[in-house]
Amino acid sequence: GAVVSQHPSRVICKSGTSVKIECRSLDFQATTMFWYRQFPKQSLMLMATSNEGSKATYEQGVEKDKFLINHASLTLSTLTVTSAHPEDSSFYICSAREIGSGYGSPLHFGNGTRLTVT
Amino acid sequence: AQTVTQSQPEMSVQEAETVTLSCTYDTSESNYYLFWYKQPPSRQMILVIRQEAYKQQNATENRFSVNFQKAAKSFSLKISDSQLGDTAMYFCAFMKPPSNSGYALNFGKGTSLLVTP
Repeated sequence: GAVVSQHPSRVICKSGTSVKIECRSLDFQATTMFWYRQFPKQSLMLMATSNEGSKATYEQGVEKDKFLINHASLTLSTLTVTSAHPEDSSFYICSAREIGSGYGSPLHFGNGTRLTVT
Repeated sequence: AQTVTQSQPEMSVQEAETVTLSCTYDTSESNYYLFWYKQPPSRQMILVIRQEAYKQQNATENRFSVNFQKAAKSFSLKISDSQLGDTAMYFCAFMKPPSNSGYALNFGKGTSLLVTP
């Protein structure tokens, strides 16, 4: 159980275009989803927290207008990288907290999306 | 802010041997949760073990155990009888207390573990 599906797994886009990444909880409902960014051989950096039906909370230094997050339902959150540039190339991972799970419950992670901007 | 420090960027261990990965953290909270996650080459994040700060007993999951020293803010991971499949990046993580971040995880920089035959 507790499967998080992230799509696409890899995407290549041209500089200046936008790309959308989907994060779906397949067998549970998620009130909260988290978006992380991971550079090669580095740690996961929290970008933003999205709550179903409300605006996302962004971490300091993350551009809200560049990384648009929408959490329209209890099973789907999307991250849209707008006007992508080569420096946005990275590995993006989502994770989800199951509805009703308390503090300390493990988060469930997607398989990640490798974004390459050319 | 809670910081997590993993001071060993890379480690190597022979198959069947034991290895310990270190992690220290900084927090002013009294109750919190600590985690070790494994990220193999597939990049999938896999939960290894979890520890609640209020519990004195060190968590154990099969070949994986922790040495949790709350006063020293230390949370090391011991892998016994290492297997080739244990080769991965290992991340120590602190779960942020309830707030606007909704229980997000704060990760250390990771330790790359290589298990050799």
